[in-house]
Amino acid sequence: QITLKESGPPLVKPTQTLTLTCTLSGFSVTTSGVGVGWIRQPPGKALEWLALIYWDDDKRYSPSLKSRLTITKDTSKNQVVLTMTNMDPVDTATYYCAHRLRRGGLGSFDYWGQGALVTVSS
Amino acid sequence: DIQMTQSPSSVSASVGDTVSITCRASQGFSTWLAWYQQKPGKAPKLLIYPASTLQSGVPSRFRGSGSGTDFTLTISSLQPEDFATYYCQQANSFPPTFGGGTKVEVK
Repeated sequence: QITLKESGPPLVKPTQTLTLTCTLSGFSVTTSGVGVGWIRQPPGKALEWLALIYWDDDKRYSPSLKSRLTITKDTSKNQVVLTMTNMDPVDTATYYCAHRLRRGGLGSFDYWGQGALVTVSS
Repeated sequence: DIQMTQSPSSVSASVGDTVSITCRASQGFSTWLAWYQQKPGKAPKLLIYPASTLQSGVPSRFRGSGSGTDFTLTISSLQPEDFATYYCQQANSFPPTFGGGTKVEVK
């Protein structure tokens, strides 16, 4: 059974760096073909894709946020970590990690974490 | 980036109705399009990927169609549990992009 769970601070101050951890269960981040992505959703707004990491450590980022994002994986803990620098109130959102469904193209996301609400406020 | 425009942004319907949601891409691609359902306070649920392939466990009243720039999600015989917000997502090229969402509301 595949599950993902996000963890991180619920509140960060402007200019601080956010670190979110996605703990994976039921699959390994090192298995060939696996991808794990991060997607966020501001309150009442649409989904926005942020980053994706593959089993071979290939990494992809949203062009508009690339300078602020870093995605890594910790194979010993089977976790994926997203850091976002210079946080701003507009970054207030629920942050989701998700398992990539490999069925052609870039893939969609078939398993999602419960989401972690992050508020940026002083 | 490929921009995804969904319409309508909201639709009011009754149980038993048929609802269609359209997703238009700013540039054409094959069938690498996904549809998700999201209920308040919950993570999105994958319904269809690619374009017309139903995810396991999704009822057959959901149907996806289209290719190129125009894609459609049709929900036949709307059920009470189908009132939710629906999103499309293109998976043709980086970055993956989502539509703005369509809220299916009770009439």
